[in-house]
Amino acid sequence: KNQVEQSPQSLIILEGKNCTLQCNYTVSPFSNLRWYKQDTGRGPVSLTIMTFSENTKSNGRYTATLDADTKQSSLHITASQLSDSASYICVVSAGASGGSYIPTFGRGTSLIVHP
Amino acid sequence: DSGVTQTPKHLITATGQRVTLRCSPRSGDLSVYWYQQSLDQGLQFLIQYYNGEERAKGNILERFSAQQFPDLHSELNLSSLELGDSALYFCASSVVSWPNTEAFFGQGTRLTVV
Repeated sequence: KNQVEQSPQSLIILEGKNCTLQCNYTVSPFSNLRWYKQDTGRGPVSLTIMTFSENTKSNGRYTATLDADTKQSSLHITASQLSDSASYICVVSAGASGGSYIPTFGRGTSLIVHP
Repeated sequence: DSGVTQTPKHLITATGQRVTLRCSPRSGDLSVYWYQQSLDQGLQFLIQYYNGEERAKGNILERFSAQQFPDLHSELNLSSLELGDSALYFCASSVVSWPNTEAFFGQGTRLTVV
């Protein structure tokens, strides 16, 4: 069964500090891995998309890494801001029959940034 | 604003009833995805349509069905509703099918079954 595990479940940091969120997956066959940011009560917004051959991708203060051998990914947030307070969701897609793709979502890490 | 429109924003209904959720994708997007987000399960992929045809199916119950119309809007029908169906239902759209294309999410429909 395809699974995506995220840690920590929640995290509180001070504004200006860095943090790293983790994602471990058992998804096969691997197609891509995405990180989403979801503000409370709103739809997720994509931060990064990585395929098998990519091991680092940045989007402003967000940097995602992927180790396809160990099936781990991390999302590093630099110089956190209050607006970074949100849930961060790791999504791993598996190739399926007929050229379709099935995403498996992690439960998310809830990040709170305090002033 | 992602450009994906979902209606209604909120819906309260009784057990055993049937409801229809509507999604209008971004202009030019051919692919529509439906997701369910509950407190205990997180986000779950339900179903994907591409240009009117079902493309991929996830953990969608038999009581649920969806379709995509010629104008590309989509509807998710939920019937014989149970308390456990209470959740946020999201629609997303993309120009083409996954996996590497950007998908944009709507604001969701919050369904409460009482």
